[in-house]
Amino acid sequence: KAGVTQTPRYLIKTRGQQVTLSCSPISGHRSVSWYQQTPGQGLQFLFEYFSETQRNKGNFPGRFSGRQFSNSRSEMNVSTLELGDSALYLCASSSTSGTLETQYFGPGTRLLVL
Amino acid sequence: SQKIEQNSEALNIQEGKTATLTCNYTNYSPAYLQWYRQDPGRGPVFLLLIRENEKEKRKERLKVTFDTTLKQSLFHITASQPADSATYLCALDSGYQKVTFGIGTKLQVIP
Repeated sequence: KAGVTQTPRYLIKTRGQQVTLSCSPISGHRSVSWYQQTPGQGLQFLFEYFSETQRNKGNFPGRFSGRQFSNSRSEMNVSTLELGDSALYLCASSSTSGTLETQYFGPGTRLLVL
Repeated sequence: SQKIEQNSEALNIQEGKTATLTCNYTNYSPAYLQWYRQDPGRGPVFLLLIRENEKEKRKERLKVTFDTTLKQSLFHITASQPADSATYLCALDSGYQKVTFGIGTKLQVIP
């Protein structure tokens, strides 16, 4: 089975721009979660989607949004980028929703905001 | 406030020895705790899950303990090898169907 894929792997943007990141989960997985990872804060939960519905949301401003398509692929959007948004963005898929489910992470998208 | 603390300093250990990593938490009552491994430039990989009613769990050279009284989990790698060098993250069920991760401990196994 192919693993979780994320595109693009690297991205450079300037302040004020917006960005869209993509995540394709493992085939058959219906839950996709997004995380932001920075050296100082570690992995921080952004949101989880299951069957095209947002199930959960972390403590991030409204500039961070996401969606999930009927094929379980998910996108994450950040508008009006700030320098502090520079981070590794990871998505993780699991077969169903629920915290006991093992999450399988993708390689991440490294975003640099200048 | 709620906190998850892992040894933020890197842990250096000689090959063949047992590495012990610590995960402490405050103001959480997790039903379970997980450990992940993360290599540079890659996403975390799930290793083990231990539930609140389990004191210990083993998988090959890995052992995890979970003490809900001390609010602590210990992660052991026995007979450590240079290939075990990575960052290890603990994660716990923080309620409301959410998982919260610690910042991770970088382990370096020296040949």
